[in-house]
Amino acid sequence: AQSVTQPDIHITVSEGASLELRCNYSYGATPYLFWYVQSPGQGLQLLLKYFSGDTLVQGIKGFEAEFKRSQSSFNLRKPSVHWSDAAEYFCALNRDDKIIFGKGTRLHILP
Amino acid sequence: DVKVTQSSRYLVKRTGEKVFLECVQDMDHENMFWYRQDPGLGLRLIYFSYDVKMKEKGDIPEGYSVSREKKERFSLILESASTNQTSMYLCASSLIVGSSGNTIYFGEGSWLTVV
Repeated sequence: AQSVTQPDIHITVSEGASLELRCNYSYGATPYLFWYVQSPGQGLQLLLKYFSGDTLVQGIKGFEAEFKRSQSSFNLRKPSVHWSDAAEYFCALNRDDKIIFGKGTRLHILP
Repeated sequence: DVKVTQSSRYLVKRTGEKVFLECVQDMDHENMFWYRQDPGLGLRLIYFSYDVKMKEKGDIPEGYSVSREKKERFSLILESASTNQTSMYLCASSLIVGSSGNTIYFGEGSWLTVV
């Protein structure tokens, strides 16, 4: 069955440090993949998406993600985090026009 | 910008009450969705609609129904609310079925507490 796994429930990094959030997927065909961010009490905002082509995808707020078919992964990265990046991050997969989400990774930033 | 509006941000209802959660989108999107979000469980799809009066069950439809009488409006109905339906409910919309790469846009969520 199609699924999305985010292995890390919580991640803590220091402000200014680099960040990588992990996402693994299970899907029979070429997946459409997304990363969303949710600030407390808010809806979800799209950070970036992968449909095809270049496997390194640039998004908003300085985020990027790399699609690796051989590892079934779509990890999110940022070279230097800011305190405002503290939020919950969701990886998602498009399955027959329905979006399936991972359980999320909550990012904490140390000053 | 696409706008998905959930009219009620915070609701408190009693067990057994009928509850309506309303969602309106302003971009003429065919697809509309209702998700439920719970800590540690992420977002789970309740129902999906790909056209007026058309609907499909998602992963957790039990205890819920939906209504889509107009293209821009998608309602989630809890026929008899129970305490285990206390949750955050997120509505979303996107372009047509078949455009699998299309982005899904979310409302800000409705916090429902059933007491």
